[in-house]
Amino acid sequence: DAGVIQSPRHEVTEMGQEVTLRCKPISGHNSLFWYRQTMMRGLELLIYFNNNVPIDDSGMPEDRFSAKMPNASFSTLKIQPSEPRDSAVYFCASSLRSSGRQMPRTDTQYFGPGTRLTVL
Amino acid sequence: QKEVEQNSGPLSVPEGAIASLNCTYSDRGSQSFFWYRQYSGKSPELIMFIYSNGDKEDGRFTAQLNKASQYVSLLIRDSQPSDSATYLCAVNIDAAGNKLTFGGGTRVLVKP
Repeated sequence: DAGVIQSPRHEVTEMGQEVTLRCKPISGHNSLFWYRQTMMRGLELLIYFNNNVPIDDSGMPEDRFSAKMPNASFSTLKIQPSEPRDSAVYFCASSLRSSGRQMPRTDTQYFGPGTRLTVL
Repeated sequence: QKEVEQNSGPLSVPEGAIASLNCTYSDRGSQSFFWYRQYSGKSPELIMFIYSNGDKEDGRFTAQLNKASQYVSLLIRDSQPSDSATYLCAVNIDAAGNKLTFGGGTRVLVKP
């Protein structure tokens, strides 16, 4: 089975340009997560969705960042306008959130290969 | 204070020895704890999770949880050069959700 698919794998752009990162979660998974990883800040959760609905976007750094999930098999993370400090590896992850009240939650998150973004 | 703290390393371990990695967390309400492995240039992959105090073993890996002291550890027995990677500790502080907070990771180097 295909894992989480991300595109593009590498993106080099100039400051001020719009950047769109794409993610296809594992088929059947109902939770999707966007992370950003840098040497300075480590792996940070930006936003996550359950059943295509954004649940927590508290990690989105500022209004320049937006994320959508129009259907269960596709999500985008957009940065407009991009800045050099946005340079990082962006990971998408998905998991299967079981129904019912499982306490505590131990859903496994499966990560995509990441998109390495460089903003010049 | 960061919510999840790890020693960045590198932790240098001879082949065949035990590697011991520690992670502390600040939120006493944390429910479940995860260890991920990340090879250089690759994405994180789950090794194991734990949510009850005590030890949990899976092959050469043992996770240990002490909620009173707010730490979780990972032991790697019979370390192999292929275990050389960065190990990320993650904590789920949302009892009903599945939001993970990651530590900065510990880089492990297993020397033949």
